[in-house]
Amino acid sequence: KAGVTQTPRYLIKTRGQQVTLSCSPISGHRSVSWYQQTPGQGLQFLFEYFSETQRNKGNFPGRFSGRQFSNSRSEMNVSTLELGDSALYLCASSLELSGPSTDTQYFGPGTRLTVL
Amino acid sequence: KQEVTQIPAALSVPEGENLVLNCSFTDSAIYNLQWFRQDPGKGLTSLLLIQSSQREQTSGRLNASLDKSSGRSTLYIAASQPGDSATYLCAVDDYKLSFGAGTTVTVRA
Repeated sequence: KAGVTQTPRYLIKTRGQQVTLSCSPISGHRSVSWYQQTPGQGLQFLFEYFSETQRNKGNFPGRFSGRQFSNSRSEMNVSTLELGDSALYLCASSLELSGPSTDTQYFGPGTRLTVL
Repeated sequence: KQEVTQIPAALSVPEGENLVLNCSFTDSAIYNLQWFRQDPGKGLTSLLLIQSSQREQTSGRLNASLDKSSGRSTLYIAASQPGDSATYLCAVDDYKLSFGAGTTVTVRA
């Protein structure tokens, strides 16, 4: 079974631009979560989608948004990029057959975003 | 707000030694706790998941314990190998994962 895939793997953007990252969960998984990882702040939760609905949201500005499609694939968008948005963005999926927070979260390889 | 702390921040041991990694969290209202491994520049690999009702989980050379009431978990890695060198992260799930900063392990051959 294929793992979580994320595209693109690397991105370089300039301040003020916007960017869209994509995540394809493991087949059959309905929950997709996004995390930002930086050397200074570590791993921080951005948001979680389940059945095309945002179920939880972290403490990030409105410039960070996301969505989930009917096939469970998810995208996140960052508008008006800032230097501080440079990070590894990780996506995770889980099955949640028995309800939220009951199953292992499987992470993708991440998208490395550099903002110049 | 959930705070997760991992001690020590770094650990260097000779091959064959057992590893003990500690994780503590401030809010015991969690659904589960997961241990992950991260290699440099890579994503996270799930090692063990402990449900809140469980006390421990084992997988091969790995054993993790959970004491929810005291807000602690410990990951034991038996007979360490150079391939175990990585950063180990603990995360508690209360509808989202809250991560510790990790313990970077180096196993010397």
